[in-house]
Amino acid sequence: NAGVTQTPKFQVLKTGQSMTLQCAQDMNHEYMSWYRQDPGMGLRLIHYSVGAGITDQGEVPNGYNVSRSTTEDFPLRLLSAAPSQTSVYFCASSSVFVATEAFFGQGTRLTVV
Amino acid sequence: KNEVEQSPQNLTAQEGEFITINCSYSVGISALHWLQQHPGGGIVSLFMLSSGKKKHGRLIATINIQEKHSSLHITASHPRDSAVYICAVGKLVGGADGLTFGKGTHLIIQP
Repeated sequence: NAGVTQTPKFQVLKTGQSMTLQCAQDMNHEYMSWYRQDPGMGLRLIHYSVGAGITDQGEVPNGYNVSRSTTEDFPLRLLSAAPSQTSVYFCASSSVFVATEAFFGQGTRLTVV
Repeated sequence: KNEVEQSPQNLTAQEGEFITINCSYSVGISALHWLQQHPGGGIVSLFMLSSGKKKHGRLIATINIQEKHSSLHITASHPRDSAVYICAVGKLVGGADGLTFGKGTHLIIQP
């Protein structure tokens, strides 16, 4: 099993550009989520999904969109990149909400210039 | 005030020392997670606890639900243990809203 696969690992964007961060898991997990990690702060939830076709906002959703058309995939879209979105992004999955072991991707380091 | 507080923020120790990292939280939880992140690397789950104590190799995690406190211990520490250790909780209320994270403890083990 590959676990949680995130791509790309690194990305540089210009302000105003859009892009999609990919996340895929092969563990048949229902719960998937996106976090961002910034210096001096804990990881913060951007969006999450409790199953295919169901998504909801987390703590810091502005500027991001998600969709969940399959159980396996949960892409994160930056609509119009801003320097404030420079961060490290992590995708995570677990079988049931947050009371089971969480599996994380390797992270995407995004710089917006 | 953050719902999850870790201490210390930074810890430097010599190889072989016994290490303790603490985590306090202020909300009702369904589970507490200890995670490890190496520099530039991904995040790996070490433990998930809802009560008592768990041990894996040289790592031990304990939780006291009544005191809302958890500790992560590393016995016979080694330079490869150098990493950021993150405490995270799944809240009883709003638990679907993902994990709530502490800011992490940056551990350096010197040879």
